[in-house]
Amino acid sequence: EAGVAQSPRYKIIEKRQSVAFWCNPISGHATLYWYQQILGQGPKLLIQFQNNGVVDDSQLPKDRFSAERLKGVDSTLKIQPAKLEDSAVYLCASSLAWTQFYNEQFFGPGTRLTVL
Amino acid sequence: GESVGLHLPTLSVQEGDNSIINCAYSNSASDYFIWYKQESGKGPQFIIDIRSNMDKRQGQRVTVLLNKTVKHLSLQIAATQPGDSAVYFCAESGPSGYSTLTFGKGTMLLVSP
Repeated sequence: EAGVAQSPRYKIIEKRQSVAFWCNPISGHATLYWYQQILGQGPKLLIQFQNNGVVDDSQLPKDRFSAERLKGVDSTLKIQPAKLEDSAVYLCASSLAWTQFYNEQFFGPGTRLTVL
Repeated sequence: GESVGLHLPTLSVQEGDNSIINCAYSNSASDYFIWYKQESGKGPQFIIDIRSNMDKRQGQRVTVLLNKTVKHLSLQIAATQPGDSAVYFCAESGPSGYSTLTFGKGTMLLVSP
């Protein structure tokens, strides 16, 4: 079974530039998550989709971050404009469903963003 | 590859030893607890989970213990191998599965041959 795919793997930009990350979840997984992982810390949820609808975006800095999952499959996360503190690994994860019972989340390899 | 283990608590063991990694969680209403392993340059990988109505669960070479009284979770790895070297995170979810995951601080495990 193919895992969660993310691209690019690495990105270096200057502050105030824009950047976009792409994620393709495991086939058939209805729920998709974007996490931000700052060096030395655990992942922090940015946004969660159920199919093409947003379930939770309470920790997404909406003044600069946006995400979409238009067809309920792959997703893009955008930062515009980037700040130095956005340097982190951006992880995408997917799970089969979002129900009252915990569903295992499968993570992609992440995109390492460096903002100079 | 890059490391997410910088500035993390580190546990160094010899190959063949048993390892114990501890985690304090924050929400007494959490219902699910999960341990993840993260190798350098990779995303977190599920190891084992436990529900709040249990105090122990065993997998292959791993055991998770849950002490709800003191909000403490531990991961025991038997006969630790060099391939176990990674950063380990605990995560909590709850009070229902609809809740999102909250990750704790990680611990880097270094296994020497």
